[in-house]
Amino acid sequence: DIQMTQSPSSLSASVGDRVTITCRASQSISVYLNWYQQKPGNAPKLLIYAASSLQSGVPSRFSGSGSGTDFTLTITSLQPEDFAIYYCQQSYSTWTFGQGTKVEIK
Amino acid sequence: EVQLVESGGAVVQPGRSLRLSCASSGFTSADYTVNWVRQAPGRGLEWVGYMRSKIYGATTDYAASVKGRFSISRDDSKSIAYLQMTSLKTEDTAVYYCTRVVRLTYGNDAFDIWGQGTVVTVSS
Repeated sequence: DIQMTQSPSSLSASVGDRVTITCRASQSISVYLNWYQQKPGNAPKLLIYAASSLQSGVPSRFSGSGSGTDFTLTITSLQPEDFAIYYCQQSYSTWTFGQGTKVEIK
Repeated sequence: EVQLVESGGAVVQPGRSLRLSCASSGFTSADYTVNWVRQAPGRGLEWVGYMRSKIYGATTDYAASVKGRFSISRDDSKSIAYLQMTSLKTEDTAVYYCTRVVRLTYGNDAFDIWGQGTVVTVSS
């Protein structure tokens, strides 16, 4: 099974900050990597697919990069509605999620 | 509106069975893989299993943690998918989400539509 490891597990940031979340796969997954956002009490929402493609309707302050085993989700100019938990997911071999990164208000 | 709605969550005793339903609307669900994901209280997301559309043979696959105990079926005439759970364990306690699977780029399948979730509690 492919394991996904996110870092950090949590972070504190202020509105307007640039935030970067890292996801590492236990083996190469090419660009078969998706990112989701989950707010408390809600289902996850697809943000980024294929490592760097923005899902329809997602603000352009969200971006993704990477290939192989190392990936990054970046939020430029953090907004109040961006405080949430973010999960990476590999789709190379069925699916596995990272453990999540909680973005909290500083 | 494209939508998935789960139902059937309940409190059940260990060893018992439960069937969850996922009703779709706003799209032709028969054309899509249906998928289940669960989230234990305060924990992350865990993929449970999927069933492909009939044009792809309605094949299924399951996570090791549920293989042999859970099964997915679908009634495309009603646009409903089911997750049959047997021999339930306390560690199956979670919110269960059904999702639509889409291939947005070659070889990359993502979950673009999620239901609101239904709660399953396994406790004596």
